[in-house]
Amino acid sequence: QKEVEQDPGPLSVPEGAIVSLNCTYSNSAFQYFMWYRQYSRKGPELLMYTYSSGNKEDGRFTAQVDKSSKYISLFIRDSQPSDSATYLCAFTSGSARQLTFGSGTQLTVLP
Amino acid sequence: GAVVSQHPSWVICKSGTSVKIECRSLDFQATTMFWYRQFPKQSLMLMATSNEGSKATYEQGVEKDKFLINHASLTLSTLTVTSAHPEDSSFYICSASPPTGGGNTIYFGEGSWLTVV
Repeated sequence: QKEVEQDPGPLSVPEGAIVSLNCTYSNSAFQYFMWYRQYSRKGPELLMYTYSSGNKEDGRFTAQVDKSSKYISLFIRDSQPSDSATYLCAFTSGSARQLTFGSGTQLTVLP
Repeated sequence: GAVVSQHPSWVICKSGTSVKIECRSLDFQATTMFWYRQFPKQSLMLMATSNEGSKATYEQGVEKDKFLINHASLTLSTLTVTSAHPEDSSFYICSASPPTGGGNTIYFGEGSWLTVV
C-alpha cells in the first residue's frame, strides 16, 4: 500500500465550479497536512497548512482533514482559469521538515 | 519574494559530464535542506537530506556517489549530478526551513530543470 494516494486526474471543470481534491494516507505519524499548488515547470507553492482534524478556510480555498479516516481534502470555490495547475497534498510528522507528497492532481479550469 | 533560491533554473549538459545545482536560503539560516526530484507528470520524491557540516542522508535507491551533496554553509547546499546520463534528466527542487516554525515554514526553491543529451 502506498503511503499516500491521490487521484492524478486530469480534472477539467468549467469556470465557477467547485473543485474537490482528495488524498488518503496510511502513516499514522503524519501530523501536518498541506496542499501545494504547482504551475508547470515551477516549484510548489504552499496553499493550505493544517495540523488538526476539521476545516480551515482561506478565501476560496477550504482544507478538510479527517484523521480518523486518514483522509484530507481541498475544496476550491468559484474556480478560475488561473487555478489551472497541479495540486499536491503533502504530509510531515512532528518536527520533521521533509515532506511526503501525493502524486498530484492536474486541474484545468475552462473559461 | 523568494526565500529559497535555486540556480540554475535550467541546464542542458552532455552525457558523461557533471552538473552543479545550488540552493540558497535568503532570509534565514538552515542547518538542514532537502533535495527532491520530480519526473514529468510525477510527484516530488525526496532524494536526500543535506546536513550542514556533515554528510548528507540519502533515501533508499538514491546513489550517493552519483548525487553529491555539499552543505558547506548555513545558507547554501549544492547538488552535483556526476557523470550525468539522459535518465537523470528531471526537475530538481530543494527546500529549506528556519530552525523554528511549523510545517508552514517549509520553503521551496524555484526548481532546476536538467536535460542531459
